[in-house]
Amino acid sequence: GQQLNQSPQSMFIQEGEDVSMNCTSSSIFNTWLWYKQDPGEGPVLLIALYKAGELTSNGRLTAQFGITRKDSFLNISASIPSDVGIYFCAGQRGTGTASKLTFGTGTRLQVTL
Amino acid sequence: EAQVTQNPRYLITVTGKKLTVTCSQNMNHEYMSWYRQDPGLGLRQIYYSMNVEVTDKGDVPEGYKVSRKEKRNFPLILESPSPNQTSLYFCASSLFGGRGYTFGSGTRLTVV
Repeated sequence: GQQLNQSPQSMFIQEGEDVSMNCTSSSIFNTWLWYKQDPGEGPVLLIALYKAGELTSNGRLTAQFGITRKDSFLNISASIPSDVGIYFCAGQRGTGTASKLTFGTGTRLQVTL
Repeated sequence: EAQVTQNPRYLITVTGKKLTVTCSQNMNHEYMSWYRQDPGLGLRQIYYSMNVEVTDKGDVPEGYKVSRKEKRNFPLILESPSPNQTSLYFCASSLFGGRGYTFGSGTRLTVV
């Protein structure tokens, strides 16, 4: 099955810095989701995007649904130590009864003081 | 508290010994799904279910079975586990398909 290309794979940043990561696909998706996984836990939904071009914020997090519907971006402003974790993008093609999500390979974020 | 509960959290077993990982959700969600997570590969869908008695294969269904006899439960069955099924498994549920899946805390399975 298809996987999404997520970059960067990992990043080390200093507290207070802004972070950007992205996700690209060779296919079109109708929904883009961003999840965060803390160590030893399951992924938790951060932001959901449903329309091409949509820009949505959740606190210090901002995500965008690419115009081509083949990509999405997540930005974290003024990072703090609890931002550490793995960030996954996920795309969904269908609407209605389709429930299949395709996940990216993840971006591991580490924040230094 | 709304949650997805998986058991066990950790399991070590031997090749060929049938096992079941249980999953239960208390949110009355229609959709449930199983994923496996492997280093460098992200999360890959094994099976999903859109409702009671309705299941379908995901990207990596080989070697797994599921059943959905009740809305709240979605067990994952490995009839004859092999070492390549050593992985971290997640169950997830959602009210409307992929929109806002709630994940369980994971089951780390080791097959020796």
